[in-house]
Amino acid sequence: SAVISQKPSRDICQRGTSLTIQCQVDSQVTMMFWYRQQPGQSLTLIATANQGSEATYESGFVIDKFPISRPNLTFSTLTVSNMSPEDSSIYLCSVDDRRSTDTQYFGPGTRLTVL
Amino acid sequence: AQSVAQPEDQVNVAEGNPLTVKCTYSVSGNPYLFWYVQYPNRGLQFLLKYITGDNLVKGSYGFEAEFNKSQTSFHLKKPSALVSDSALYFCAVRDIRNAGNNRKLIWGLGTSLAVNP
Repeated sequence: SAVISQKPSRDICQRGTSLTIQCQVDSQVTMMFWYRQQPGQSLTLIATANQGSEATYESGFVIDKFPISRPNLTFSTLTVSNMSPEDSSIYLCSVDDRRSTDTQYFGPGTRLTVL
Repeated sequence: AQSVAQPEDQVNVAEGNPLTVKCTYSVSGNPYLFWYVQYPNRGLQFLLKYITGDNLVKGSYGFEAEFNKSQTSFHLKKPSALVSDSALYFCAVRDIRNAGNNRKLIWGLGTSLAVNP
C-alpha cells in the first residue's frame, strides 16, 4: 500500500494567518483527497486533487479559502487561508491507490489549532 | 443519494467476547464497501473492503465483515475482542459506477469501540 507523509504534524497559528500543509506519497497516484476531521468525529471531504487539473471542491469549501496545488503524481499541498478559530481541526490527506483496487490510504494528519 | 449509517455511537464489549460494529448503506448501484480504524491521535488505517465475490471478507488484526445485499449491511466483526481494539471505527461506501472526480467515499459518522479488560 502507499505510504503517505504529512508536514507539519501539528501547528498552532494566529488568527488571520495562513498555513500550508504538505502531503507526500511514496508512489505515483492519480487521485489525492483532502479531508477535515474534528477530533472524535467523522471525515468531511474538502476537495479532490488530480494532477494537471484544478481541484474539485465540495459544497461549503472554496478555492480562495483552501487553495490546493498538485504539481506532480506524488505531492500535493493544502493551504488554509486567513485562518479563524473555526478552522481548528485535523486535516488529512489520502490517496486513491488503484494498485490496491480503489482503496484509499491516509496520511497521519495535521492537527491545526488557531488562536 | 448515497449514504452510510452507523447506528451506534458507542459499543462496549468485554475482552474475549465477540464484537460487532454495525453499518448499513444506500447506493443506487453496486457498492464498494470499506472499514477503517482510527486509534487515538492517529490517522485512519484501512481494515478491509468488499469489492466483489465472497460475502465474508477478512482483514487486518483478525477483523472480518459480511456483505449482505438484501439487508444493505456490512457489519464488522471479530470473534474475540482485545483491549487494544478500542478505537474509532468508520464504514465507507462508493458506488462502483462512479468514476473520475466522483470516486470519493461516503463516510459513516463513526462508532467508538471500548473493550473492557
